[in-house]
Amino acid sequence: QKEVEQNSGPLSVPEGAIASLNCTYSDRGSQSFFWYRQYSGKSPELIMSIYSNGDKEDGRFTAQLNKASQYVSLLIRDSQPSDSATYLCAVNGNSGGSNYKLTFGKGTLLTVNP
Amino acid sequence: NAGVMQNPRHLVRRRGQEARLRCSPMKGHSHVYWYRQLPEEGLKFMVYLQKENIIDESGMPKERFSAEFPKEGPSILRIQQVVRGDSAAYFCASSPLPDINTEAFFGQGTRLTVV
Repeated sequence: QKEVEQNSGPLSVPEGAIASLNCTYSDRGSQSFFWYRQYSGKSPELIMSIYSNGDKEDGRFTAQLNKASQYVSLLIRDSQPSDSATYLCAVNGNSGGSNYKLTFGKGTLLTVNP
Repeated sequence: NAGVMQNPRHLVRRRGQEARLRCSPMKGHSHVYWYRQLPEEGLKFMVYLQKENIIDESGMPKERFSAEFPKEGPSILRIQQVVRGDSAAYFCASSPLPDINTEAFFGQGTRLTVV
């Protein structure tokens, strides 16, 4: 069974700090990796996607992927109170052929304190 | 993403009633996915549909749940004889292609409450 595990949280950081969110996945055949942000009572919003090893930066967000370690992370620099949300790690694609199916972690609740 | 439209946003049903959830994909997207989010749980894949075809329903409960995506109109997720355990948020996502690099965009969801 494919699994995606996230650090359980909740994670609390002061405003302006770096928030680090981590995710591991079990299916070595996974090929695409996504971070979604979900505010309470709202829908998941895609904030980052990463497909190859290394770092990918977009504004204050940096996604890091290490396929050998089956690990993906999200760094949020200069955290703002508006970043307070649950962050969902999602993994797509496996060696079984169903490469359209996203497997989600349970999410990490991030609180940024003013 | 505002482009994927789901309705209703909130739905209350008594045990034993039927629930119908609708999803209109983003313009130009012909691939629709339904996910369920139980309280304190992550999103779980339910079903993947293309127009007039169910491609993968491996995440759907075997009984009481069905889905369709007709040639015209929205995709429908139907839950017959609802039970309290069906209370959850149901999200629909759409994408232009089903391949591994496709980014799926979610609608606002339907929050089903069974009383």
